[in-house]
Amino acid sequence: EAQVTQNPRYLITVTGKKLTVTCSQNMNHEYMSWYRQDPGLGLRQIYYSMNVEVTDKGDVPEGYKVSRKEKRNFPLILESPSPNQTSLYFCASRWDNRNTEAFFGQGTRLTVV
Amino acid sequence: RKEVEQDPGPFNVPEGATVAFNCTYSNSASQSFFWYRQDCRKEPKLLMSVYSSGNEDGRFTAQLNRASQYISLLIRDSKLSDSATYLCVVNIGSTGRRALTFGSGTRLQVQP
Repeated sequence: EAQVTQNPRYLITVTGKKLTVTCSQNMNHEYMSWYRQDPGLGLRQIYYSMNVEVTDKGDVPEGYKVSRKEKRNFPLILESPSPNQTSLYFCASRWDNRNTEAFFGQGTRLTVV
Repeated sequence: RKEVEQDPGPFNVPEGATVAFNCTYSNSASQSFFWYRQDCRKEPKLLMSVYSSGNEDGRFTAQLNRASQYISLLIRDSKLSDSATYLCVVNIGSTGRRALTFGSGTRLQVQP
């Protein structure tokens, strides 16, 4: 089954404690991205990757890091989480960044206290 | 000004009603357009792409007006299962950095 898998689904952490949210896709997609979703603001892109070892900032990259060492995996790293990073996070993958459908992971609800 | 704007709703309609959502986008270089559906606290899923000539998928019809930078979604014969948030999505940006930009969503509640 074609899917994007995120883990964990729920996470409560404390300010400053490094965390990683994993994302894996089994569709051999080149293009992957991370979004955060906040009430009234919609989904905003954090980082994206056009292929292995190619990553770039989206609209709200501050406080986040990513890596793309393998095509299927695109982890999101919060080196020093802060309460304003409390949000719902989605990983997405697409065949490319043109007119193709985006497939989303099930989301990670992160709370930073 | 937001790049993609939608009326947040909620739209409360009875079963069987016809409901229309609108969306405007600000970047005239936008290349492609979509409607996604998002159920409460779940991931967005593609409902349909939007083509210049307009397109229909069962009870759903999408229209694009490039001159007015306007996209619409029409749902006929609403079902309870149509209750969700509908996201207008536009592919914006230069060739190397074309990114999906999402509206904040329009919430639909279909009532029995």
